[in-house]
Amino acid sequence: QQQVKQSPQSLIVQKGGISIINCAYENTAFDYFPWYQQFPGKGPALLIAIRPDVSEKKEGRFTISFNKSAKQFSLHIMDSQPGDSATYFCAAVASGGSYIPTFGRGTSLIVHP
Amino acid sequence: GAGVSQSPSNKVTEKGKDVELRCDPISGHTALYWYRQSLGQGLEFLIYFQGNSAPDKSGLPSDRFSAERTGGSVSTLTIQRTQQEDSAVYLCASSFTTSLLGNEQFFGPGTRLTVL
Repeated sequence: QQQVKQSPQSLIVQKGGISIINCAYENTAFDYFPWYQQFPGKGPALLIAIRPDVSEKKEGRFTISFNKSAKQFSLHIMDSQPGDSATYFCAAVASGGSYIPTFGRGTSLIVHP
Repeated sequence: GAGVSQSPSNKVTEKGKDVELRCDPISGHTALYWYRQSLGQGLEFLIYFQGNSAPDKSGLPSDRFSAERTGGSVSTLTIQRTQQEDSAVYLCASSFTTSLLGNEQFFGPGTRLTVL
């Protein structure tokens, strides 16, 4: 049973466009939602994270939008650049539980110059 | 001061052989995690260690998989009698504590395991 559903599986965007990746979860115990960025041959790296007490968090060109009632959260990459081409993973953590993140299956983003 | 390191970076083995994968976490990090990443799949949790507590082995897919962490630092993931379906990238991560709220989980570059 996939606890965090991520879509789309792949995404192609033109330089300067907006990349949007969506995730949905079922477990209401999740209370921390990090996004990871992974370049080929590298391990994932934390990009941005949000807690459910806010509906949006922005860091530079990256924004997380969070909808607690719908149990959905999304990553928006504004002014997408070729250097943003990577695989993006959303995750969810229940801080009252084991702290083990549950990851989505990832989105492969390609930004064309 | 380096990040999480893993060795070897690549490992090719024959079906039925045993393999050992090594992880050196960031100094001072008490929590250590092992994940498996298969092509087109997300990160599959395998096992985690927190200090001197008993490890959480709930993600290990079979009894052919085991891991240990010596002295609260270096960890070794062992896969016995490897099968072709074990082929994947094995990632190690560490964090200052198991609380990810404000404590980033740092990943190593992974070991790519190929079982022929």
